[in-house]
This record gives sequence, structure tokens and C-alpha cells, in this order.
Amino acid sequence: AQSVTQPDIHITVSEGASLELRCNYSYGATPYLFWYVQSPGQGLQLLLKYFSGDTLVQGIKGFEAEFKRSQSSFNLRKPSVHWSDAAEYFCAVVEPDYKLSFGAGTTVTVRA
Amino acid sequence: DAGVIQSPRHEVTEMGQEVTLRCKPISGHDYLFWYRQTMMRGLELLIYFNNNVPIDDSGMPEDRFSAKMPNASFSTLKIQPSEPRDSAVYFCASSTPGTGDSDTQYFGPGTRLTVL
Repeated sequence: AQSVTQPDIHITVSEGASLELRCNYSYGATPYLFWYVQSPGQGLQLLLKYFSGDTLVQGIKGFEAEFKRSQSSFNLRKPSVHWSDAAEYFCAVVEPDYKLSFGAGTTVTVRA
Repeated sequence: DAGVIQSPRHEVTEMGQEVTLRCKPISGHDYLFWYRQTMMRGLELLIYFNNNVPIDDSGMPEDRFSAKMPNASFSTLKIQPSEPRDSAVYFCASSTPGTGDSDTQYFGPGTRLTVL
């Protein structure tokens, strides 16, 4: 089975600063990768996804992620965070039977 | 499209009571997934359906949990009898693999269940 690791449980960043969330996966073939965001008390919203092609993927809310096969990584970035970006972020990979395998999540706190 | 709809959004019940959670997937999606989210275990897949047929229920914690999908637009997750350790947020998601939006699961807002 595939697995996803998010090494950082919690990240604190200043408003306006850049943000990078790490995600590593284990999968033999080219994976389908996703980043979801969960605001407090809300459901999961899809930020972006990678299936194939260009390894730099643009998403909503100014986020982007880069797929690096050599590092088995799919890190999420944002150049300048806003207070509204405070949330929990989940990386996920699709398994062959269409099930999603989630990482443990990274909680982002934005300080003024 | 209204997205995935779940009801109720919040449920508070007492131990031993039956709880039924409901989900309406996005129209046209033929896969439906039920997840549970807790602080201790994160997001766990409980069961999923393809064309209303349960495909994998290996994540269902015990016999107290059951799920049905009587038609393409409705699914239920039932817990009977409920226990305090069932307290969690339960999410429903739907997808339609094999299309241009392959394998993207869209999540509902969740049902926050509290069992006293």
C-alpha cells in the first residue's frame, strides 16, 4: 500500500512570509497526489492535484506544489501567507483501487 | 452543483443510542467514500461504494457500524449501539475515476458526532 508522510506536525509563520509544507510518498509508479486544506470546523477542500505532466502544479488560493520523483516529494508552497491560510493541510495519494491515503496533516498557524 | 451534502452537521447522542448519518454525493459520481477523523487516528477510510455496491469495508471498526447505498444519490452510515469512542467527525466524499478529473475526491462538510 502507498503511504504519505508529512514530517511537520505544526508550523507557525508570520503573515506575509512564505510557507512550505513537506510531503513524502512511497509508491512504485507515478502517483496521483493531492493537497487538501481543512479550516477549523470545516470539511476538506481540494487545493491542487498532480496526475502527470508539468511537475509544478498551480492550485487555488495562491498555492502551488512541485512533484519531485527523485525525492518522492510533493511539497506545497505559498509565497506570501494570509491570516486566512491558518488551517490544517493534508497531503494524499490515490491507491490503485481509488482509495485515498492521507498524511497525518500539518497545522499552520499564522501570526500577525 | 451543490457538492457533497451531509446531514446532520452535528449530532449529540447518548451511549447505546442508534445514530444514522446521511450523505448525498455529487450527481454523476459513481464512487462514494465514508471517512472518520479523530485526533488520535487522523483520517481513516471506513468503507467505499462503486455504483451503489460496497467494495471495501475493511475500515469499518466493528459490527456496530453498517453502511448502505440504496441508490446513486443517497448513502447512510449507521452506528448501533453508539459508544463514546465513536465520537469523531465523519466525512463523506464522492468521485468518478476514469474521467478528466480522475480520482479527485470531493468531500462533504462532515458530521460531528458526540456520544455522551
